Amino acid sequence: AQTVTQSQPEMSVQEAETVTLSCTYDTSESDYYLFWYKQPPSRQMILVIRQEAYKQQNATENRFSVNFQKAAKSFSLKISDSQLGDAAMYFCARLGGFRGTYKYIFGTGTRLKVLA
Amino acid sequence: EAQVTQNPRYLITVTGKKLTVTCSQNMNHEYMSWYRQDPGLGLRQIYYSMNVEVTDKGDVPEGYKVSRKEKRNFPLILESPSPNQTSLYFCASSPGTIGEQYFGPGTRLTVT
Repeated sequence: AQTVTQSQPEMSVQEAETVTLSCTYDTSESDYYLFWYKQPPSRQMILVIRQEAYKQQNATENRFSVNFQKAAKSFSLKISDSQLGDAAMYFCARLGGFRGTYKYIFGTGTRLKVLA
Repeated sequence: EAQVTQNPRYLITVTGKKLTVTCSQNMNHEYMSWYRQDPGLGLRQIYYSMNVEVTDKGDVPEGYKVSRKEKRNFPLILESPSPNQTSLYFCASSPGTIGEQYFGPGTRLTVT
């Protein structure tokens, strides 16, 4: 089965520090997309960052960056200068790897706590 | 305002009573999906649609039906709900394959 694995159910970080959330995935395809979504207590799902598998350069969005290791099938999220508003559930997701379909596979999530 | 709306937001029902959760988007997106979120399991895709009259199964389609007669609407139908369908449901839309998904606010369903 195609899977996305987040091995850290919960993480904590001090405000202003850096934290890395891990994600690994399984696919036999070369063409796919990877995402990190944030879900704060409001339950609203918010896109944090996106990576196209064919791009070798790691995506960056302000304080959020990824470490994409295609051969290792690893897609970790680094949050720099953590803020209290970063506290949320974070989900890693993969789209594609199935030609002609629109199948999203999500990980089980990592709950991030930010300590003041 | 660009948005995805879902109704109802909260629903408590009994086993076997047919129900529909509506989803509507005002962004003219082609792609739409339904997910369920359960503790410890993350989000799992139920059904998706790549255009009007084009729908396909996600990972957990059993017990659900969908239709896409209009581009903006993508209702989720539970013909005979069971307690194991108690969950938080999200509808999402996207302008394209790699576009950002815009999620609705969620529908909390409890089946007793």
